[in-house]
Amino acid sequence: AQKVTQAQTEISVVEKEDVTLDCVYETRDTTYYLFWYKQPPSGELVFLIRRNSFDEQNEISGRYSWNFQKSTSSFNFTITASQVVDSAVYFCALSVRSGGSARQLTFGSGTQLTVLP
Amino acid sequence: KAGVTQTPRYLIKTRGQQVTLSCSPISGHRSVSWYQQTPGQGLQFLFEYFSETQRNKGNFPGRFSGRQFSNSRSEMNVSTLELGDSALYLCASSWGGRGRFYTEAFFGQGTRLTVV
Repeated sequence: AQKVTQAQTEISVVEKEDVTLDCVYETRDTTYYLFWYKQPPSGELVFLIRRNSFDEQNEISGRYSWNFQKSTSSFNFTITASQVVDSAVYFCALSVRSGGSARQLTFGSGTQLTVLP
Repeated sequence: KAGVTQTPRYLIKTRGQQVTLSCSPISGHRSVSWYQQTPGQGLQFLFEYFSETQRNKGNFPGRFSGRQFSNSRSEMNVSTLELGDSALYLCASSWGGRGRFYTEAFFGQGTRLTVV
């Protein structure tokens, strides 16, 4: 069975601060995929990034960056110079190839990020 | 490209009734997955449909069912509603084909169901 842990339930930062959201996952599968989604108050889950288990390269996209470390089973997300518009709930998710479908996502419990002006 | 469309956005039903939710995936996407989101249980996978066939199912009672049509649109049905079924129901669309490098899932805005 798969498990995703987001230990930080809520984080508050002041605008322009950097913030890192933690994600730890568990799976016995060797091929898996990791995701980050953002959920604004409107409810829609907005896709941010996908990472494959065989690609440990870190990634940067504008103010967003992701640090994938298989050795610690972590996939952390950093927002640099946070903005008020970054306020949302952020979910880390995992899917595996075994069992017939790679589209069953196991989500963490989410981290509510509040960026104060 | 139009996104994932879920209708209706809000629903209020009474215990014991049944409800049907609809999801239109992104054009060209053949896989539709459904998730339930509640404050207590978080986001949980219900089932996935691909080419009109249920391909995977989560751990939910038989009162939760779904189907997919030839145009990939999907419906989810919940019978004999219980108070605990109150939740945000999210639909996810993806290309879904086997043997193809994994593609991410795109979500709709959800249907918020309240059971009273």
